[in-house]
Amino acid sequence: DTGVSQDPRHKITKRGQNVTFRCDPISEHNRLYWYRQTLGQGPEFLTYFQNEAQLEKSRLLSDRFSAERPKGSFSTLEIQRTEQGDSAMYLCAIRRPGSGNTEAFFGQGTRLTVV
Amino acid sequence: QKEVEQNSGPLSVPEGAIASLNCTYSDRGSQSFFWYRQYSGKSPELIMSIYSNGDKEDGRFTAQLNKASQYVSLLIRDSQPSDSATYLCAVKGGGSQGNLIFGKGTKLSVKP
Repeated sequence: DTGVSQDPRHKITKRGQNVTFRCDPISEHNRLYWYRQTLGQGPEFLTYFQNEAQLEKSRLLSDRFSAERPKGSFSTLEIQRTEQGDSAMYLCAIRRPGSGNTEAFFGQGTRLTVV
Repeated sequence: QKEVEQNSGPLSVPEGAIASLNCTYSDRGSQSFFWYRQYSGKSPELIMSIYSNGDKEDGRFTAQLNKASQYVSLLIRDSQPSDSATYLCAVKGGGSQGNLIFGKGTKLSVKP
C-alpha cells in the first residue's frame, strides 16, 4: 500500500469529451504530484501541490488541463476536449514527510483511452 | 534539457543469474537517484533510492552510484521470474519542486 488511491482505474471516453480524475492521499504527506505515462515511456511530470497551492506546472500541461486541490486534501485532474494524444496512464504520487530526499510513492494510476 | 537514458532492452537473463541494469543522466548537479519497478499495466513501485557515491544493498538488490561518471546501476542477484518487469531509473530534477525525471525504462525478462 503506497498510501495513494486513484479513481477511476480505467476511463474510456470519446474525443472531445471532458474527463476528471481523482487522487486521494491516504498517508501523511507534504507534496502531491501528477505525472503522465504513455506507452513505452517513463512517467513525465505534469504539476505538483504543496498543501492546496499548485506550485509548478510543466509545459506538458496545456490549457486543456487543469488540476485542483481544494483544502489540501484530495486532488483532481481535469482534461477538457480530450484528444487521442491524451491517451495515457495518469499517475498521482506523494512525498511523505521524513521519506528521505524526494522519494515518491505512486497510486495505482488512471488509464485513459480516448477513442 | 535534463535527460535520463536507459537501454530499453529487453534484457533477458536465466533464473538465478545476476541482472545488471544501467542508467546515465545529464544533470551533473543531480543529488537523488531512484529505481522503480513497473509490472505491465501497473504503476511504478519504488525499490531503491541512493544519494551517495558507492553501493547500497537491500536484499537481492544493489544500487550503485558514480556521480563523476553520471552513472547509476541496479544489480539484481539470484533473479527470479517474478522480477520480470520494466525497471525505471529516476533522477530528482533541478529546482525546489522535487519532481522526478524518468528514463524510458529497461524491460527485464527472467527465464525459468
